[in-house]
Amino acid sequence: GDSVTQMEGPVTLSEEAFLTINCTYTATGYPSLFWYVQYPGEGLQLLLKATKADDKGSNKGFEATYRKETTSFHLEKGSVQVSDSAVYFCALSLTFRTNAGKSTFGDGTTLTVKP
Amino acid sequence: DGGITQSPKYLFRKEGQNVTLSCEQNLNHDAMYWYRQDPGQGLRLIYYSQIVNDFQKGDIAEGYSVSREKKESFPLTVTSAQKNPTAFYLCASSIADPRTDTQYFGPGTRLTVL
Repeated sequence: GDSVTQMEGPVTLSEEAFLTINCTYTATGYPSLFWYVQYPGEGLQLLLKATKADDKGSNKGFEATYRKETTSFHLEKGSVQVSDSAVYFCALSLTFRTNAGKSTFGDGTTLTVKP
Repeated sequence: DGGITQSPKYLFRKEGQNVTLSCEQNLNHDAMYWYRQDPGQGLRLIYYSQIVNDFQKGDIAEGYSVSREKKESFPLTVTSAQKNPTAFYLCASSIADPRTDTQYFGPGTRLTVL
């Protein structure tokens, strides 16, 4: 079945450090890939997405590139801030027509940024 | 403001009782979803609905029920058959196709069984 594997956390960084959170996936068909962010006590918000191979999603200084050859969608940011502290989820989705509309999420990676 | 709302934010239930969690959206989205979130386990899909009066079981539907009588509303009932219901429940919606369309999440309901 479809699955998403994320780098295990928690991850603790100092402000202005470089961030990488690894994400790999297995899927039948051609998924879209997403990164969502969850702040404490809240729901998830879309951070960025990519719908086909070699697409790069970007938002708020975060980037991720859809790599079909390595089945990966690693999240990166060049300089993290304290306000980036949150839980990050990698996810894949397939169309209703091929997989009945199910989305698959990774287990989440908790990021803490210290001043 | 358009968005998706869930109520209540916190809910306490005695063992053996059914409880219904509310989810409403004014985004005019066709599709709605319910997820369960447990610590360290990410999100698991309970039920989803692509259109009014139709819904499908997700990966962990046992002990839960839903209805979709209106486009805006997708309530989730946690029944007494659900053996371990204490969790954080998230509702989401999307335009139609999750492959290309973002899912918008509500703020969640934290259910605790006493």
